[in-house]
Amino acid sequence: SQTIHQWPATLVQPVGSPLSLECTVEGTSNPNLYWYRQAAGRGLQLLFYSVGIGQISSEVPQNLSASRPQDRQFILSSKKLLLSDSGFYLCAWRRRGGRESLYEQYFGPGTRLTVT
Amino acid sequence: GNSVTQMEGPVTLSEEAFLTINCTYTATGYPSLFWYVQYPGEGLQLLLKATKADDKGSNKGFEATYRKETTSFHLEKGSVQVSDSAVYFCALSDWRKAAGNKLTFGGGTRVLVKP
Repeated sequence: SQTIHQWPATLVQPVGSPLSLECTVEGTSNPNLYWYRQAAGRGLQLLFYSVGIGQISSEVPQNLSASRPQDRQFILSSKKLLLSDSGFYLCAWRRRGGRESLYEQYFGPGTRLTVT
Repeated sequence: GNSVTQMEGPVTLSEEAFLTINCTYTATGYPSLFWYVQYPGEGLQLLLKATKADDKGSNKGFEATYRKETTSFHLEKGSVQVSDSAVYFCALSDWRKAAGNKLTFGGGTRVLVKP
């Protein structure tokens, strides 16, 4: 069966510090991968998605970046965090190929980031 | 573009009450529709889905029917429990094979069930 991992689970970082959040998927190959942010009490905002190694699409201009160095690894980074980067970050994967619109996304447990 | 609209909430209910969360969508063609649930401090879990008109998705006592004529996918449960307290998200997936095949989410509805 497929599983998705995120770490760390929680993180407290000062303004201006760098960030690296990691997401890995097991039990599948060549998935679509997604990073979302959820601000407190708000809905989901899609940040980045990837359809393959080294292929990253950005949905919202910001001081965050994403990378996919391996097929099942997705990393969210920042060189200098802002207060507004605080939130709950969720990684998700989705099966590729065929009728992709039929397939649901599977979400990781999330990382709660607090920028102080 | 695609969009999903759902009632904002919070929705506060007593145990064993009937729950309805309205969801309407705007999309071209025939999207697939999903309901996700998020329990406090956790990621999202798929609750149910429907991939074509008149399909009914069901899981854990929840049901939703894909109504193309009203572009709706309302979530219902006949008798809620305290453990159903969570945030519920309606989402759609465009039928076209767009790159990454993203999901479009509604804003989420917080449900609080009191004993």
